[in-house]
Amino acid sequence: DAGVTQSPTHLIKTRGQQVTLRCSPKSGHDTVSWYQQALGQGPQFIFQYYEEEERQRGNFPDRFSGHQFPNYSSELNVNALLLGDSALYLCASGGTSGSRTDTQYFGPGTRLTVL
Amino acid sequence: QKEVEQNSGPLSVPEGAIASLNCTYSDRGSQSFFWYRQYSGKSPELIMSIYSNGDKEDGRFTAQLNKASQYVSLLIRDSQPSDSATYLCAVRRYKLSFGAGTTVTVRA
Repeated sequence: DAGVTQSPTHLIKTRGQQVTLRCSPKSGHDTVSWYQQALGQGPQFIFQYYEEEERQRGNFPDRFSGHQFPNYSSELNVNALLLGDSALYLCASGGTSGSRTDTQYFGPGTRLTVL
Repeated sequence: QKEVEQNSGPLSVPEGAIASLNCTYSDRGSQSFFWYRQYSGKSPELIMSIYSNGDKEDGRFTAQLNKASQYVSLLIRDSQPSDSATYLCAVRRYKLSFGAGTTVTVRA
């Protein structure tokens, strides 16, 4: 049973560039959430996708956008990269959106460095 | 006020001792509570979930929830060097909110 997968593992970009990160959820899961984790901090919620729509969004600017495909996989896009966007980007998948007992499982993450 | 606050640590305990981790949260409507373990350079790994007041035990781990006090804790009994990691408390009402984590070091 494949867990949550993410690609790429590492990425180096320069300020102003755009980046796309990818995530495939755990088998049987239909919701995907994205988090940003800066060094020494806990993960911060970016947004969640369910049924190909953004359902919830954290306190992130519009430079952060996403997409969910019919096979439940998801992309995170970040435009106009800033130095402060350097972080570990985590994808988490879960079961039925809104269930109290829904548990999110994290992928290995993508380490983004902006120079 | 931060949504989720954890004791700042780092916490150093001898092998075989009990490690006690604490977490408070601000949203009284929170319904789901989780503890994740994160090794350096790795992603968070779920170790416990708790939804009702009281204690929940799983092996050497015990989670405690007190919704009236808006307090969640994690006890690690018989601590092992492999338990050395950062422990993240996460709370959810509509979205999952994390604390900054407490780093635990188990010394042999």
